[in-house]
Amino acid sequence: DTEVTQTPKHLVMGMTNKKSLKCEQHMGHRAMYWYKQKAKKPPELMFVYSYEKLSINESVPSRFSPECPNSSLLNLHLHALQPEDSALYLCASSRQTPSGSYSYEQYFGPGTRLTVT
Amino acid sequence: GIQVEQSPPDLILQEGANSTLRCNFSDSVNNLQWFHQNPWGQLINLFYIPSGTKQNGRLSATTVATERYSLLYISSSQTTDSGVYFCAVERGLDSGAGSYQLTFGKGTKLSVIP
Repeated sequence: DTEVTQTPKHLVMGMTNKKSLKCEQHMGHRAMYWYKQKAKKPPELMFVYSYEKLSINESVPSRFSPECPNSSLLNLHLHALQPEDSALYLCASSRQTPSGSYSYEQYFGPGTRLTVT
Repeated sequence: GIQVEQSPPDLILQEGANSTLRCNFSDSVNNLQWFHQNPWGQLINLFYIPSGTKQNGRLSATTVATERYSLLYISSSQTTDSGVYFCAVERGLDSGAGSYQLTFGKGTKLSVIP
C-alpha cells in the first residue's frame, strides 16, 4: 500500500478562521512533508518532519503551524491566512534510514485545495 | 540552490505518437523522481531514478547522473497521459547525506488529442 490520505479535499475559510489540514500514511515512513502548490506552478516545500521532529522549515510564515503527533499523522494548522495563501496543499512521506542520513522516494497525497476569502 | 530545467514546457501529441521529455539539473543529486500530475492535482509517482534506466509499460526513463540529465519516454500516447509531468530532484549534501528537499522543475504540460 503506497497511499497517503489527506482531509479535507476542499476547504474554504475566512481570514479570521482557524482550521487544520490532516495527512495520514500507514507505510511506516518516518519522513513527512508539506508542500504548497499555486496554480500552474510546481510544488514548493514548506516543512519536513524526520522521526516526528521538525527538521526543515522553509521560512514559512507563522500563520502556518505544522504538527506531527505520531509517526503516521501530520497536521497543518492554519490561522489568520491571507487570500494569497489560497493553493493546493500537498502532503508526502518517504522512507528514511535510521540515521536520517538518506531519504527515498516520496509519495504524495491527493492534496487539499484551500481557498481563503 | 539546485536548478531544474524541463523541456519542452508544452507538448501536443496525436494519440499513438511517441515523445521524449527532458530534465536537466545543475548539481549532483541523491534522488530524482518523475511525476504525472493529473487534472485533479494528484501527483502520481512514475519513476524513482537517480541513475540508470527503468521501464514501466509504455513509459521508460533514463538518468545520466554524470551528465546531469534525465529523460522520460512515452510511447503510444493515450488521452489519459494528458497532464503535467514534473521532474524533481533532491540534492545531496557535501557529507553525502540526503537533504530531504525535493526541488521541482516547472513541468511539461502534455496534451494528447484523439
